[in-house]
Amino acid sequence: DTGVSQDPRHKITKRGQNVTFRCDPISEHNRLYWYRQTLGQGPEFLTYFQNEAQLEKSRLLSDRFSAERPKGSFSTLEIQRTEQGDSAMYLCASSLEVGGGAEQYFGPGTRLTVT
Amino acid sequence: AQRVTQPEKLLSVFKGAPVELKCNYSYSGSPELFWYVQYSRQRLQLLLRHISRESIKGFTADLNKGETSFHLKKPFAQEEDSAMYYCALSVGGSNYKLTFGKGTLLTVNP
Repeated sequence: DTGVSQDPRHKITKRGQNVTFRCDPISEHNRLYWYRQTLGQGPEFLTYFQNEAQLEKSRLLSDRFSAERPKGSFSTLEIQRTEQGDSAMYLCASSLEVGGGAEQYFGPGTRLTVT
Repeated sequence: AQRVTQPEKLLSVFKGAPVELKCNYSYSGSPELFWYVQYSRQRLQLLLRHISRESIKGFTADLNKGETSFHLKKPFAQEEDSAMYYCALSVGGSNYKLTFGKGTLLTVNP
């Protein structure tokens, strides 16, 4: 499968713990996006990378959230001191951006449950 | 800020009937509009985008700037069309992040 992959697919954690998710985009895609989806809602933008540079962060991304894409390939999203409100599906998407709104390919998501 | 509204959470039709999934948006500029689909146990995938003007799997969508709408239509629904449909927009610039509606769950009954 050469699509976007995410790991883990499911994560259950206790409130206050730290969690880290990984996203592997399609090879050579220069753009990587993180979205969050809660029950009954569509995905909401969190942040995006152009190669290794993080260019925008949503106000949804509190100080407890940090994302990296160290070599412009895979990305990690870390949530520190998790809260029950962090329970959601975290989606990663990648695209090959060459100058105008390329198609974003989504991964299967990581479902986080904070107890 | 931009917003996408999908007024129907659920839509149920019979096989062979026409289907229309509604999408309205608010944005003062010229956004790009998309329809994404998520079949059961599958990932979110692009169905169509307004700039391509294609018909995918028999679905079409026309951007109506006057009514700020981008409704998805299919003349004869099939059971395999049953899925969650999301309307989304991008305002371009350099960040092509997507703003999604809440989605409409389409069920096509035999």
